[in-house]
Amino acid sequence: GQQVMQIPQYQHVQEGEDFTTYCNSSTTLSNIQWYKQRPGGHPVFLIQLVKSGEVKKQKRLTFQFGEAKKNSSLHITATQTTDVGTYFCAGRNYGQNFVFGPGTRLSVLP
Amino acid sequence: NAGVTQTPKFQVLKTGQSMTLQCAQDMNHEYMSWYRQDPGMGLRLIHYSVGAGITDQGEVPNGYNVSRSTTEDFPLRLLSAAPSQTSVYFCASSFAGRTEAFFGQGTRLTVV
Repeated sequence: GQQVMQIPQYQHVQEGEDFTTYCNSSTTLSNIQWYKQRPGGHPVFLIQLVKSGEVKKQKRLTFQFGEAKKNSSLHITATQTTDVGTYFCAGRNYGQNFVFGPGTRLSVLP
Repeated sequence: NAGVTQTPKFQVLKTGQSMTLQCAQDMNHEYMSWYRQDPGMGLRLIHYSVGAGITDQGEVPNGYNVSRSTTEDFPLRLLSAAPSQTSVYFCASSFAGRTEAFFGQGTRLTVV
């Protein structure tokens, strides 16, 4: 079945440094979503990408969907302590349910 | 607007006991789903429903039952709890299976 992987599993950064997490699918995706989960909280939707090569920005966050629609990335510029949490990608293969990656846990040292 | 409401927030069960995790949403969403979250494994789909009266299995359905008698409610039943079912359970709803999902606060279940 479809598999979604994320790297790295953990990332520790100093406040102000940049952060990137990568998401890779074993199959071509129709769309991909990104979620953020704060420690002890629930996943919160960030964005959805549907077009090949699509790039979307939300303030300091930049999301990218690969040309082949099998990978995606989330880049955070100048991290802040409020960025702490686990970032999940979820990929959907046409007509099927979303499959979540294992997540990247980000910690930001002040 | 409450969104997705899950109860209880915490539960401890003995092996073999049964219980129902409640989930309700007030957004008139057709699609609802249950996930379990275990360390290092992300969210895995247990069961989902595309509308009242329609349910289907996800990736890890064994040991769980669901029903969807109304649009608002989607309870998850554990028939005979096992220690392997110790996990955090999230209910989610969306307008359609391909749109943004709204998650409940989660239920932390421990089976001893």
